[in-house]
Amino acid sequence: EAEVAQSPRYKITEKSQAVAFWCDPISGHATLYWYRQILGQGPELLVQFQDESVVDDSQLPKDRFSAERLKGVDSTLKIQPAELGDSAMYLCASSSQRLAGEQFFGPGTRLTVL
Amino acid sequence: KQEVTQIPAALSVPEGENLVLNCSFTDSAIYNLQWFRQDPGKGLTSLLLIQSSQREQTSGRLNASLDKSSGRSTLYIAASQPGDSATYLCAVRTAGGTSYGKLTFGQGTILTVHP
Repeated sequence: EAEVAQSPRYKITEKSQAVAFWCDPISGHATLYWYRQILGQGPELLVQFQDESVVDDSQLPKDRFSAERLKGVDSTLKIQPAELGDSAMYLCASSSQRLAGEQFFGPGTRLTVL
Repeated sequence: KQEVTQIPAALSVPEGENLVLNCSFTDSAIYNLQWFRQDPGKGLTSLLLIQSSQREQTSGRLNASLDKSSGRSTLYIAASQPGDSATYLCAVRTAGGTSYGKLTFGQGTILTVHP
């Protein structure tokens, strides 16, 4: 069964360091999403890609976060420098349709910033 | 801005009981509504997707209904089992306004089914 892959699963870093997360969506899914989930809350969208283009990054803290999907397949989310408040679960999802499609999520990356 | 509320925040039931989880949303202009399950420290598993033109969807012991005009959805779980213990999240894809195109999540219902 096709799945969204993410790595690493866990990341511990010190504040002011740089971290990067990787996501490989389900094959053929043109739409890719990055979410952040704080413990006890629902996920919140950080950035949405349609193929290689960003279609929504209104909630991405652009002073420290960046995301790319250069070839329209896998994607990388980077934080530089990391802050204590960035500790959260970072989830990647993909769908075959931009607006009405079902979203499928990966296992997530648990980030702890010390 | 779309807001999604889930009630109750937590639910503990004995095995075998039928139960209902509730979800409400403020903007009825939606593309679809999706129910997810999340086990501790894990990602989200999609359970059911209801398009805006549909009233309900069923999968095994799960049945989800949608009343778009009143901004409500319910997830019905029949004959609950300990393996159903997880957090259940409701999310809506909004079709207009400042939340256009976004999937907005509720905070979830933590379900515990005890033997």
